[in-house]
Amino acid sequence: KAGVTQTPRYLIKTRGQQVTLSCSPISGHRSVSWYQQTPGQGLQFLFEYFSETQRNKGNFPGRFSGRQFSNSRSEMNVSTLELGDSALYLCASSLAEGTGNLLAKNIQYFGAGTRLSVL
Amino acid sequence: AQSVTQLDSHVSVSEGTPVLLRCNYSSSYSPSLFWYVQHPNKGLQLLLKYTSAATLVKGINGFEAEFKKSETSFHLTKPSAHMSDAAEYFCVVSDNTGFQKLVFGTGTRLLVSP
Repeated sequence: KAGVTQTPRYLIKTRGQQVTLSCSPISGHRSVSWYQQTPGQGLQFLFEYFSETQRNKGNFPGRFSGRQFSNSRSEMNVSTLELGDSALYLCASSLAEGTGNLLAKNIQYFGAGTRLSVL
Repeated sequence: AQSVTQLDSHVSVSEGTPVLLRCNYSSSYSPSLFWYVQHPNKGLQLLLKYTSAATLVKGINGFEAEFKKSETSFHLTKPSAHMSDAAEYFCVVSDNTGFQKLVFGTGTRLLVSP
């Protein structure tokens, strides 16, 4: 099975622009989550999508948004880019089976990430 | 809220010596805990997971971790380090409130010298 695929791998943008990142999950996985990794803040949860619906969102401004398509592929968008948005953006997919504690046991598989540099 | 604390930001070992990466967790219920590894410019790879079955969990590449409820710890060990083990390691707890959300520790960078 193919793993989680993120495109593009690298992006360079300037302040004020917007950017769209793409994530294709493992076949059969219904949940896609996004994380931001920076040297200062570490790995932080952005949001999770399941069956085309955002189920949970982390503590990020509204400039960060996402969506999920019927084939479970997901995109995240960042508008009005700021220098502080420079980061590695990681996407993870999982089967997301069960609820509560059972759901928490699901393994999340990560893509290689998209490195965004904002100049 | 769940959290994990990685007690060391850097650990240095010599090749062939044991590895110990320490992690404490905070959770009001039986947590799902994971260790992930990240090599430079790569994504995160799962090493092992604890989900309330056996307390000693074996993972890939010779790593294992022991869940100790009394100490709220989930330390990662390996009997003999290899140069290829040099990477950043993350202790992670999974949210159980109905969403797929991972809470990461701050990471431990493992340095392996010849």
